[in-house]
Amino acid sequence: QVQLVESGGGVVQPGRSLRLSCTASGFTFSTYAVHWVRQAPGKGLEWVALVSNDGSNKYYADSVKGRFTVSRDNSKNTLYLQINSLRAADTAVYYCARAEPIDYWGQGTLVTVSS
Amino acid sequence: QSVLTQPPSASGTPGQRVTISCAGSSSNIGRNIVNWYQHFPGTAPKRLIYSNNQRPSGVPDRFSGSKSGTSASLAISGLQSEDEADYYCASWDDSLNGWVFGGGTKLTVL
Repeated sequence: QVQLVESGGGVVQPGRSLRLSCTASGFTFSTYAVHWVRQAPGKGLEWVALVSNDGSNKYYADSVKGRFTVSRDNSKNTLYLQINSLRAADTAVYYCARAEPIDYWGQGTLVTVSS
Repeated sequence: QSVLTQPPSASGTPGQRVTISCAGSSSNIGRNIVNWYQHFPGTAPKRLIYSNNQRPSGVPDRFSGSKSGTSASLAISGLQSEDEADYYCASWDDSLNGWVFGGGTKLTVL
């Protein structure tokens, strides 16, 4: 069955960097676009980024452009999200999700930005 | 403020029919498909409706979607207590060149 497992979250100080990972299984990862979506505490879902199946096309929400970088390694069935200059407003559960449009989601990883 | 506008809450009694609206614009819903997701806090969201009105296998036919112009709706008939969750609409936005979600609607089964 389709599985997406996020990792890399934790408590990070403002201004630091963090890299999230999402490991996929149960399907041919290299044939699907994948997304990052986040949910801040008490807020709704916010789309963050999308990368095409081969990594050649990337799209970002305006709120994260310039600080977030999405990438993937199809040989490792893994999606990444590099987050730089972390802010308190980046505190959220970060989900990876498959396909265009989204059909399956992971369970999420919590990122807390706090000094 | 979300690009897609949903009512923050909705409610109904068991067996009732409830509708959740999602208002957008010509750059998103007006030109692109709408998808709906069900989310129980602390779990992975689940796809409920795709391509405006299509149900994935396993989703009960109590759930239905529709779209007209720049708005979309999710209808839940025969409301059940296990339907109590957060519901989100989503669509691609051609102006933003990215996906946009509604702010979410918290459904309460009274």
